[in-house]
Amino acid sequence: NAGVTQTPKFQVLKTGQSMTLQCAQDMNHNSMYWYRQDPGMGLRLIYYSASEGTTDKGEVPNGYNVSRLNKREFSLRLESAAPSQTSVYFCASSLPTDTQYFGPGTRLTVL
Amino acid sequence: SQQGEEDPQALSIQEGENATMNCSYKTSINNLQWYRQNSGRGLVHLILIRSNEREKHSGRLRVTLDTSKKSSSLLITASRAADTASYFCATALRGSSNTGKLIFGQGTTLQVKP
Repeated sequence: NAGVTQTPKFQVLKTGQSMTLQCAQDMNHNSMYWYRQDPGMGLRLIYYSASEGTTDKGEVPNGYNVSRLNKREFSLRLESAAPSQTSVYFCASSLPTDTQYFGPGTRLTVL
Repeated sequence: SQQGEEDPQALSIQEGENATMNCSYKTSINNLQWYRQNSGRGLVHLILIRSNEREKHSGRLRVTLDTSKKSSSLLITASRAADTASYFCATALRGSSNTGKLIFGQGTTLQVKP
């Protein structure tokens, strides 16, 4: 099992560009999450999906959109990137009330 | 504001010593979890303690939970250089049981010197 995979690992964007971060899990988990982690801080939840077909806003959703494509895949889209979105992005998955399994992260720099 | 706040923010100890990290939270929880993050990596789950449990052990890790004080502690005994990492507590709020949603603290950075 690969667990949780994320692509790309690194990305540099110019202000105003768009991109999609991909996440996939092979553990048959219902719930998936997107977080951002800024230097010296914990993780802040951007969006989550409790089950296929549902998505909900987290703590910091502004500037992002998500798609739960199927049970395995949960993508995060930046429509018009801003320097404030420079961060490390983590995807995670879990069964309800269970532990979360994290991907390796995507380091995004917006110039 | 953050649900979980951790103390201390940074901790530096010698190999072989014990390390204790504390986490306080504000609202009722279903469970509290501890995660470890090595530099530049994703988080790895260490231990989960449910709201009706008071203490849990896993190898050199001991976690306590005091729901009356809304606090938890993580003790790492006989620390090793490989324990150097950031440690985060995360709470599953009561009422979020059908989502698995967690709220993370800001973390404690532990350095274990050889």
